[in-house]
This record gives sequence, structure tokens and C-alpha cells, in this order.
Amino acid sequence: DGGITQSPKYLFRKEGQNVTLSCEQNLNHDAMYWYRQDPGQGLRLIYYSQIVNDFQKGDIAEGYSVSREKKESFPLTVTSAQKNPTAFYLCASSIALLQQPQHFGDGTRLSIL
Amino acid sequence: DAKTTQPTSMDCAEGRAANLPCNHSTISGNEYVYWYRQIHSQGPQYIIHGLKNNETNEMASLIITEDRKSSTLILPHATLRDTAVYYCIVRGTLNTGTASKLTFGTGTRLQVTL
Repeated sequence: DGGITQSPKYLFRKEGQNVTLSCEQNLNHDAMYWYRQDPGQGLRLIYYSQIVNDFQKGDIAEGYSVSREKKESFPLTVTSAQKNPTAFYLCASSIALLQQPQHFGDGTRLSIL
Repeated sequence: DAKTTQPTSMDCAEGRAANLPCNHSTISGNEYVYWYRQIHSQGPQYIIHGLKNNETNEMASLIITEDRKSSTLILPHATLRDTAVYYCIVRGTLNTGTASKLTFGTGTRLQVTL
């Protein structure tokens, strides 16, 4: 079955450490997205990518970085510059940028040790 | 993209129809109404979408008013597994917006009870 796979499901970060969240899709979608969700809140866009080797900042990109070297993969790195990284991170994809529906992974929950 | 307004929370008895409203009074002619739901600790799941005609699929029905300024998602026979946060969003079909318009609001928390 086609879909989006995020790993790991749970991740813990130490102070000053960078961590990378994985997102892989086999839907042959060009566009991919990373969202952050805080408790009781909606989804806020961190980064998005329209196509391979291209990505743009979303509303809350500070402290995060991404790469898009392959169509299937869009990893998100939470850097030490992100002072409040504890959140639920969701990866999504769509056929093209801003096209709906978006398909979402099941998320990674990041916590600080 | 148009802004949407949804009630914060709703309750529904199991087996009854759940009717979730959404206001999108600034919707423009080329924008679709999409509904997603998010069950706790999972990613959002696409439910249904429509432009101006009512739509039905195996999960739900979508009723859009004639002036398209509001819509209602109907779950005809709600079950406990339908307990989730339901998001109504409005999107154009072309790359006419900025990335910030991809944000999902806080949605409606539907609690289905016995």
C-alpha cells in the first residue's frame, strides 16, 4: 500500500543536540511538507518542498533544517537552535504544491530529556 | 485562501448523525472545501471535499450551501471510533497562495458518547 512513513514514532533529545526525523513516501508525490503540532493546537507549517532539490521556509522555520535529495525522502533536522522543540511533528505529501488532499504520516513525538 | 470558522467542540451520541458546521464566508469561486480528521496521536486523515455540489462517500456527506459561505460535514451513524478533531479547510486548485495558507486551524473536537 502507498503511504507516508515517519520514524521514529518517539524521539528524545538532549540539550544542545541535533536530531533528525525521517519521512519517506511511496506515493510518487512531488510536494512534501513538515508541520509542527503543539497540544490542543492546529498544524503549523515548518518547511515545504515543491520538487527535488527545492525547499522553502514555512511560518516557523527557525531552528529547523531540511533536505530533499530524493523525491521519496524529506528529512527534518531539529537543531540546537530550536529552544522549544517538544511537539508532535507531522510529515505530509501531495501530488503538487498546495494541491489537496494531503496525505499525512502518523507523526513523531519529540521530547526533551 | 479563505479563512474558516468552526465550533471548538461538539458531542454526539453513538448511532446518531453528527453534523459538523464550518463557516467560510470569504471563499472564492475556485476554492474547494476539504475536511480532514485527526484521531489522537495520529496524522490527519482526508475525509471528503467539494466545490459547490453536495458530495457523499463511504465515510461522510458534505453539504455546501448555495452561496458556498458555509458547509456541514455529516457522519450519518457516528461510532466511538469517530471521536476526533475535524478540520475544515478551503484551498484553491492552483498555486495561488502562500505557504502560510497551508496552516490548519484548531478544528472541532467531536466526542462520540455511548
